[in-house]
Amino acid sequence: AQSVTQLGSHVSVSEGALVLLRCNYSSSVPPYLFWYVQYPNQGLQLLLKYTSAATLVKGINGFEAEFKKSETSFHLTKPSAHMSDAAEYFCAVRRNSGGSNYKLTFGKGTLLTVNP
Amino acid sequence: KAGVTQTPRYLIKTRGQQVTLSCSPISGHRSVSWYQQTPGQGLQFLFEYFSETQRNKGNFPGRFSGRQFSNSRSEMNVSTLELGDSALYLCASSGGLAPSYNEQFFGPGTRLTVL
Repeated sequence: AQSVTQLGSHVSVSEGALVLLRCNYSSSVPPYLFWYVQYPNQGLQLLLKYTSAATLVKGINGFEAEFKKSETSFHLTKPSAHMSDAAEYFCAVRRNSGGSNYKLTFGKGTLLTVNP
Repeated sequence: KAGVTQTPRYLIKTRGQQVTLSCSPISGHRSVSWYQQTPGQGLQFLFEYFSETQRNKGNFPGRFSGRQFSNSRSEMNVSTLELGDSALYLCASSGGLAPSYNEQFFGPGTRLTVL
């Protein structure tokens, strides 16, 4: 079984500051890992994914994440926060089983607030 | 390509009623998954359909059911609604070509309110 823990349900940063959202996973098999963003009253938008290729993954809107197997972590970072980054962020894990299982297990989410 | 569409966007029902939600996946995608999102429980997997067959199922009571049609469109049904069924129901489609074949693309959701 897989699980995801997002440390910090709410993170507040100043505009221009570093964004760091933490995600730790548990999986009995090599996982696929994802970060999604959700703006109010909208669905989920994929920011980036790790699928056992490069451990440092670059996504949209300047976000990136590093897969660290030894720490079972997949933290999301962005060097400089913009006001438009204010949203809820979800880390998710999925079994690395090719195309036979698309079930995602999500963390509880981290609400990012960006202060002017 | 058009994205995932869900109808209706908003629904208000009363306890005991039943409801059907619809999801049209991205053209060419054969997998459709459903998730329930609530403030208390977060995002929880309901079920996944692939080529008209339920392939995975989450831990929800039998009141929650779904189906998929030959054109990959999917419906989700909830019978005998309870107050706790109030949630945002998200549909996601998968199965496109590489490199995005292992991604799930989400629709905007259906906001269900049970009174």
